[in-house]
This record gives sequence, structure tokens and C-alpha cells, in this order.
Amino acid sequence: AQSVAQPEDQVNVAEGNPLTVKCTYSVSGNPYLFWYVQYPNRGLQFLLKYITGDNLVKGSYGFEAEFNKSQTSFHLKKPSALVSDSALYFCAVRDEGDSGYALNFGKGTSLLVTP
Amino acid sequence: AAGVIQSPRHLIKEKRETATLKCYPIPRHDTVYWYQQGPGQDPQFLISFYEKMQSDKGSIPDRFSAQQFSDYHSELNMSSLELGDSALYFCASSLRERYEQYFGPGTRLTVT
Repeated sequence: AQSVAQPEDQVNVAEGNPLTVKCTYSVSGNPYLFWYVQYPNRGLQFLLKYITGDNLVKGSYGFEAEFNKSQTSFHLKKPSALVSDSALYFCAVRDEGDSGYALNFGKGTSLLVTP
Repeated sequence: AAGVIQSPRHLIKEKRETATLKCYPIPRHDTVYWYQQGPGQDPQFLISFYEKMQSDKGSIPDRFSAQQFSDYHSELNMSSLELGDSALYFCASSLRERYEQYFGPGTRLTVT
């Protein structure tokens, strides 16, 4: 079985400060990890993925994530938050050995960036 | 760039009615997925198709069925609708070897 945990329901950050949205995963094989962002009444937008290679992955809109195998984590980061980053963020995982290609999503973390 | 298209965007049905949701994947994408997102919930995988064949099945009720057509568009058919079926239904598409899925804007289904 594969699963993702996002331990924080909400993260509050002041504009200009660095932000971190946490994600831990559980898979039996090698993980394929993804971050998506969802704005109100909109679809999910792909931000970045980790499949293999460099543990630091860079994605859209200045976001990056660090894969840490020993801690089974894939935290999303941004050096300087913008008010427009306020949205719902989902971490998702798929097991490399899984014959299915569906994503398992975490419960989501609401990010609020205040001016 | 072309995105995933879903129609209709909003749908209101009564209990026990049927609904059909349509999805048009990004051109040249070979895989289509359907997800259901209840209010305040994370998306839950329903079913997927690879090259027009069902490839994976998740928590899709027996009252629901789906198919992918020769032009790669997909339809999710929902019968005997229940109040609990009220949700956002997302279609996503991908190139299988690229792993990431691209989501459409969703269809908001309200069952009254």
C-alpha cells in the first residue's frame, strides 16, 4: 500500500518569508512524488515531481522540493512567499512497482500568505 | 498550450437520475484518469484508461462506468445518483512515460 501524509492542515506565512509545506510518504518500493496546487474552484496544477536523480527538484513558480529517502519526506519549499501563493497544496505519491498509474493524494495543506 | 477539457463545468441532478461527464485529454496524451473530490477532501482515484483500454480501477462505485473512445475522449457515466455523489469530478491526462498528470478544471456535480 502507498500513502502520503501532510501533517499540517494550514500553514501561515508572511509575504517575503520562506515557506515550507511538509509531506511524508509510505511506499513498498521506490516512490514517485508530486506536488500539485489547487486554487478555489479550479483544477489541480502540476508544480513538480521527483522520479529519480537529484534530491532537490525545482518546479513552477519558484517552488522546489527536497526528496529525503531516510526521512521518507518530500517537503515543498519556496525562498520568498507571495500573497498569490495562497492556495491548497497536495502532495501525491505513486509506487514505482505499482502496475497502476493512479496518484494517491494527501489530505492537502492550506497555505495562507499574508501581506 | 492545450489543456484538458471537461464538460459540463456544472451539473445539477436529482436523486436516482443519471449523469454523463465528458473529458477531452491533452492531444497525444495516451492515458486518462478520473478522480472524485468531495467537499474538503483530497482527490480519490476512480478509474483510468491507457490507449483506450481500462488500465486501473480505484474506488469507483458499481453505479458508475466509464469508457475511452477512438478519438481518446472519455466519458464517465453515473447512474442512480445519490446525494453523496455530489462532488468535483476531475479528469486528468498524461503521457505514460512522463508520469505527471495534467488535470482539467473539473465538473461540479450537485445531486439534490
